[in-house]
Amino acid sequence: DAKTTQPTSMDCAEGRAANLPCNHSTISGNEYVYWYRQIHSQGPQYIIHGLKNNETNEMASLIITEDRKSSTLILPHATLRDTAVYYCIASDSWGKLQFGAGTQVVVTP
Amino acid sequence: GAVVSQHPSRVICKSGTSVKIECRSLDFQATTMFWYRQFPKQSLMLMATSNEGSKATYEQGVEKDKFLINHASLTLSTLTVTSAHPEDSSFYICSVPSAHSSTDTQYFGPGTRLTVL
Repeated sequence: DAKTTQPTSMDCAEGRAANLPCNHSTISGNEYVYWYRQIHSQGPQYIIHGLKNNETNEMASLIITEDRKSSTLILPHATLRDTAVYYCIASDSWGKLQFGAGTQVVVTP
Repeated sequence: GAVVSQHPSRVICKSGTSVKIECRSLDFQATTMFWYRQFPKQSLMLMATSNEGSKATYEQGVEKDKFLINHASLTLSTLTVTSAHPEDSSFYICSVPSAHSSTDTQYFGPGTRLTVL
């Protein structure tokens, strides 16, 4: 799986959009970009994934650059419950999710 | 509702004893499940792939004789930590891949916190 690089932490104001960047410059053509988040002392929660096209669901939007070397997860209206560690993972198989350090997102009132 | 359950959610045991952790897929059958371990302030580390009807596949550096995995049915996988020691204290999490597609999501259990005294 391609290595991903994320900022260690970021703060976001409640009600504002949170934009989480991820670099995956060595991603291969058949690798998807997955985003999961982990609230303290819980199992990870799936957010969204994509291959080439931008994706949107009820939780977030995923913007993937045309060269696929980076992506951005957008939480449109952050709430206090969005405080978590967010993981960006590049993988060609749902079986091999190699988690990096992730980004600790803190949403403040 | 929950798609994957784990039992127990928390366990404390004495050094040298064995502890069994169960992972159940509640909504669909799973021929494959995964076990992860997470130490405090660290990320998840994939330990092994649990395969129904065959032996588990372990990641490099994970002792198969210490972490016994049994995929008893299409909805149940168990992880037994044998002769547990304090360094095995960790958060153990299982996951079940979506039944729809191999590139679809994984569903994670709520985790089991093991403390070995």
